[in-house]
Amino acid sequence: DTAVSQTPKYLVTQMGNDKSIKCEQNLGHDTMYWYKQDSKKFLKIMFSYNNKELIINETVPNRFSPKSPDKAHLNLHINSLELGDSAVYFCASSQPLTSGKGAEAFFGQGTRLTVV
Amino acid sequence: DQQVKQNSPSLSVQEGRISILNCDYTNSMFDYFLWYKKYPAEGPTFLISISSIKDKNEDGRFTVFLNKSAKHLSLHIVPSQPGDSAVYFCAASSTLGGGSEKLVFGKGTKLTVNP
Repeated sequence: DTAVSQTPKYLVTQMGNDKSIKCEQNLGHDTMYWYKQDSKKFLKIMFSYNNKELIINETVPNRFSPKSPDKAHLNLHINSLELGDSAVYFCASSQPLTSGKGAEAFFGQGTRLTVV
Repeated sequence: DQQVKQNSPSLSVQEGRISILNCDYTNSMFDYFLWYKKYPAEGPTFLISISSIKDKNEDGRFTVFLNKSAKHLSLHIVPSQPGDSAVYFCAASSTLGGGSEKLVFGKGTKLTVNP
């Protein structure tokens, strides 16, 4: 009965490959996010979607393409993987921060991506 | 350009004592602040939050204090328990709209509570 689930948990792949990470939330939230935690442990937002609409794209290379088929899903596709893409990627969901309903985001368990 | 700073990478306390984790921010537009707890190989879990209209919020053993003039907040855990050992992230957001749907995180403080 996981609130925010993402798959896979671990992903090891070679440079140049294309890979996808899937995320689903069953909390009924309108907003979903992708965050990246790099080797320096910074947790930084990559994308934010509200009701399937992209509202934040934080200067992420266009090799990263999020796709939201419905408001419960936000997948992340990465083309032409590079060594520097190795990180832990977290999906999250919340009600819109501006809704006055609180900004508590619920996170998935993370996907550790290793590019070799 | 770190808008949210946690200057102590680690903190060690004895079980039963108080743990105080600190966080500073630079962006005056931030009006909502959160603390998250993270265990290894898991996602961050929400702990407690505070709106800028308050200076204190309490939930059981956890209390968050906000000093807007100093742009500083702190998380107090009392009494500390070994199960509190984790990395604690401070996060901030602006609820004023205009595409502000994001949390800005600090780098985290690793808390170790010794039995």
